[in-house]
Amino acid sequence: TQLLEQSPQFLSIQEGENLTVYCNSSSVFSSLQWYRQEPGEGPVLLVTVVTGGEVKKLKRLTFQFGDARKDSSLHITAAQPGDTGLYLCAGGGGGADGLTFGKGTHLIIQP
Amino acid sequence: SQTIHQWPATLVQPVGSPLSLECTVEGTSNPNLYWYRQAAGRGLQLLFYSVGIGQISSEVPQNLSASRPQDRQFILSSKKLLLSDSGFYLCAWSATVGTLYNEQFFGPGTRLTVL
Repeated sequence: TQLLEQSPQFLSIQEGENLTVYCNSSSVFSSLQWYRQEPGEGPVLLVTVVTGGEVKKLKRLTFQFGDARKDSSLHITAAQPGDTGLYLCAGGGGGADGLTFGKGTHLIIQP
Repeated sequence: SQTIHQWPATLVQPVGSPLSLECTVEGTSNPNLYWYRQAAGRGLQLLFYSVGIGQISSEVPQNLSASRPQDRQFILSSKKLLLSDSGFYLCAWSATVGTLYNEQFFGPGTRLTVL
């Protein structure tokens, strides 16, 4: 069974600070996706990384896929209250079957 | 553009009652469809997925079943609900053409409370 461990589980920081959250696995994934979810809503896809060592930037968010394609990180620069949410990573095996999700990082950015 | 709908948005049902949750996708053909359940504030557990009409794969043995009567319709059902069936149910779709990485797009979810 493939598992994805996310850390930290909870993170509360002040507006303007930088942060990094992690997604680690003992398994190799064909792709890894990051989602952000707000309370009572479905997750929204932020990015997909597929190549070992790949780095993708989405405004103040930087996503990195580990060289061995087993882990990933999300770095947010100058966090804003609008970044608050549950950040989920999900690994794909390359087929049409479902994704394996981590339990998520609850992020709160205080004004 | 593609959109995905789920209904109802919220549902409160007594133990032992039946369940039917519906998901429909617009703006795409022959999507892969998925049902997930999410415990309060936690990650998603895959319940079922479907690659075509009448084709259902079950990931977790449980009190639920799924059906896909039409290309863009996915239904989650139960004959008799248990307390443990409470949760946030999410439907998702992914494209079968033009992508290699099974990027999934989620509906707004159904909050089910079994009393």
